[in-house]
Amino acid sequence: LAKTTQPISMDSYEGQEVNITCSHNNIATNDYITWYQQFPSQGPRFIIQGYKTKVTNEVASLFIPADRKSSTLSLPRVSLSDTAVYYCLVGEISNFGNEKLTFGTGTRLTIIP
Amino acid sequence: DGGITQSPKYLFRKEGQNVTLSCEQNLNHDAMYWYRQDPGQGLRLIYYSQIVNDFQKGDIAEGYSVSREKKESFPLTVTSAQKNPTAFYLCASSIRGRVAYNEQFFGPGTRLTVL
Repeated sequence: LAKTTQPISMDSYEGQEVNITCSHNNIATNDYITWYQQFPSQGPRFIIQGYKTKVTNEVASLFIPADRKSSTLSLPRVSLSDTAVYYCLVGEISNFGNEKLTFGTGTRLTIIP
Repeated sequence: DGGITQSPKYLFRKEGQNVTLSCEQNLNHDAMYWYRQDPGQGLRLIYYSQIVNDFQKGDIAEGYSVSREKKESFPLTVTSAQKNPTAFYLCASSIRGRVAYNEQFFGPGTRLTVL
């Protein structure tokens, strides 16, 4: 099973770029990597998804090296409203065709004024 | 507005009682999911359904039951067999069954406390 490992917490100052790395050493060929953001007592919200190389949208970039054993979520110029928990999700289909989704433990990002 | 609704937001029950959590979506999504989240933990998959009248167990299905009689609705029953039911429960949906490749939309969650 593809398990994910993320730093438990990170601090950053407003206006800086923040990079959060997720390790997924056993990622399978057909797996995609997805990142979610969660505020306290709310459901997670989709940020970005990718398979390889680099993906960019209006809020973040996702960097995936050639071996795909890790991925890095990059948040440009963070603000206080980016304080949240960020989850790395690696999609995996088990041998029986069932969904086997693994949410990481999450990284608690705190933005300091 | 399109989205997912969960009710109630807070729920209190006595130990030994069954309780049903509601999840409704008007996004016309085929797939729906139930997760459990404990304090300081990630999300764990309880059950999921890719189509009406069909559902599959996730990692922690014991003590839970679901039904999918309508595309819009995916209620979760927490039975008395669930040893530690106090948690934050999240419902999600996606446009296609293979959530690994598609964005999941989450509801606001129901916080269940068993006294």
